[in-house]
Amino acid sequence: DAGVTQSPTHLIKTRGQHVTLRCSPISGHKSVSWYQQVLGQGPQFIFQYYEKEERGRGNFPDRFSARQFPNYSSELNVNALLLGDSALYLCASSLGPGGSYEQYFGPGTRLTVT
Amino acid sequence: KQEVTQIPAALSVPEGENLVLNCSFTDSAIYNLQWFRQDPGKGLTSLLLIQSSQREQTSGRLNASLDKSSGRSTLYIAASQPGDSATYLCAVRKTSYDKVIFGPGTSLSVIP
Repeated sequence: DAGVTQSPTHLIKTRGQHVTLRCSPISGHKSVSWYQQVLGQGPQFIFQYYEKEERGRGNFPDRFSARQFPNYSSELNVNALLLGDSALYLCASSLGPGGSYEQYFGPGTRLTVT
Repeated sequence: KQEVTQIPAALSVPEGENLVLNCSFTDSAIYNLQWFRQDPGKGLTSLLLIQSSQREQTSGRLNASLDKSSGRSTLYIAASQPGDSATYLCAVRKTSYDKVIFGPGTSLSVIP
């Protein structure tokens, strides 16, 4: 079975631009979470979606938004990019939204903002 | 506010050694704790998940313990191998529906 997939693998953007990152969960998983991992730090929670509804939001500015589609895939959008947005963006899927469901992570999208 | 720390930040050991990685958290009221492995530039692989009612979990050469009262967890790796070289992260969740909070990780290097 395919694991969690993310696209693109790498991305280079300029300050002020907009970016869209994509995630496809494991088949049968209905929950998707997004994390930002800055070099040398642990991942930080951005959003969780379950059944197309937002179930949680971390401490990120409104420039960050996300959505989940009927097929449970998800997009993370970041507007007005800043240099500090350079990071590895990870997507994780799970059967459900709660902590009793194990999260499976994708390989990530490496975003570089210049 | 829950804070998670991991000591040491980096560790280098010769192949075959047994080793212990430490994770500390400031709020002992947790739902569960999870250990992950991350290879350079890659995503996370779940190693062990310990529910708050459990004291330890084992998988192969890995054993993770949890002491909620002291706010600590340890990951024990037996007979280390070069393939164990990676960054190991612990993460805690306060309630079932709370966000996961990660530590900064311990970078492990096992020398052949």
